[in-house]
Amino acid sequence: DAKTTQPTSMDCAEGRAANLPCNHSTISGNEYVYWYRQIHSQGPQYIIHGLKNNETNEMASLIITEDRKSSTLILPHATLRDTAVYYCIVPYKLTFGKGTLLTVNP
Amino acid sequence: DSGVTQTPKHLITATGQRVTLRCSPRSGDLSVYWYQQSLDQGLQFLIQYYNGEERAKGNILERFSAQQFPDLHSELNLSSLELGDSALYFCASSVDSGQGVKETQYFGPGTRLLVL
Repeated sequence: DAKTTQPTSMDCAEGRAANLPCNHSTISGNEYVYWYRQIHSQGPQYIIHGLKNNETNEMASLIITEDRKSSTLILPHATLRDTAVYYCIVPYKLTFGKGTLLTVNP
Repeated sequence: DSGVTQTPKHLITATGQRVTLRCSPRSGDLSVYWYQQSLDQGLQFLIQYYNGEERAKGNILERFSAQQFPDLHSELNLSSLELGDSALYFCASSVDSGQGVKETQYFGPGTRLLVL
């Protein structure tokens, strides 16, 4: 089973890039990496996913290492509204860990 | 707005009682997932249905059951409620079949259950 490891918390200054790391060293070759975030007690929100190549959408960029053992979610210009818990998951068995609490400071 | 709806938003009940939580998936999504989130805990996967059939099972208690109806809405039934069942219950839906490797989920706003 692929599992993920993320730092418990991170801080970022408003307007700066937030780089959130995730380790998934046991990921299988055909498993996607997904990122979600949860603002306070709202329902988690899908952000982005990827398999091998780097991905970008209107919310964020996802950088996956060549060996696929880790990835980084990048919020290019963090705002106060980006303060949330960010989850990196590999869908098999749909395991969400504790995620990373990102606090964006003014 | 994810397009996933959940009712009720809040539910207060007593120990030993039974409640039913309802979820309507996004239009076109065949998979429905249920999660439990206790205070300061991560999301715990409970169960997944795909097109009316149970597809995957997580840490769901025997006192809990779920089903997905022909119109694809789903209900989570919680019985013999205990204080520890107080939590947020989220439903998510996906167009993916749930084979595990690729499942983009869209979550509803949740039902907050308080057992007194």
